[in-house]
Amino acid sequence: GAVVSQHPSWVICKSGTSVKIECRSLDFQATTMFWYRQFPKQSLMLMATSNEGSKATYEQGVEKDKFLINHASLTLSTLTVTSAHPEDSSFYICSATQGATEAFFGQGTRLTVV
Amino acid sequence: GQNIDQPTEMTATEGAIVQINCTYQTSGFNGLFWYQQHAGEAPTFLSYNVLDGLEEKGRFSSFLSRSKGYSYLLLKELQMKDSASYLCAVMDSNYQLIWGAGTKLIIKP
Repeated sequence: GAVVSQHPSWVICKSGTSVKIECRSLDFQATTMFWYRQFPKQSLMLMATSNEGSKATYEQGVEKDKFLINHASLTLSTLTVTSAHPEDSSFYICSATQGATEAFFGQGTRLTVV
Repeated sequence: GQNIDQPTEMTATEGAIVQINCTYQTSGFNGLFWYQQHAGEAPTFLSYNVLDGLEEKGRFSSFLSRSKGYSYLLLKELQMKDSASYLCAVMDSNYQLIWGAGTKLIIKP
């Protein structure tokens, strides 16, 4: 199956700093990439949808100035958590699709803000 | 509104068969997915159904009835490693995935 690589797998950062998470589709062109957040023992929550070359569409309640998403190419999307705070600590997962096909997930990034 | 329902938790015995149900109400339908997620890991793809009927893939099978808004995931010959959460997701008319809350499956020896 198709491969989506997400980096880093885990990161610890100080409160107030910014963290960038990369999501790459390695063997296909991802027309759409999705960013999810998952708190412990909860379901995946969609944060935003990004299409290559256009601005991301954020879900209600997700601050677009805090969670910056860039989908500069058909193989790369980045999520930057700006001015991170402890409540932003979570598991962030990206997924990519090529049209109406199954979504392929990255490995996820565990963010801990101290 | 859009809604995906699946049981919160199920328990089964090693070697047995278990069926996890999923019902959905979405704006449009472009397929239903089942994913397996082990604690602390990203979900992994199990199956995709877009037409009515049963799709079999090894020990796992998935069934879809679009008219009833219903799907199930059938796991046979359960192994301890099958203990995980199983997520049902529907792709709506905008090609966005609507997620169920997941079913935690506990396998006992």
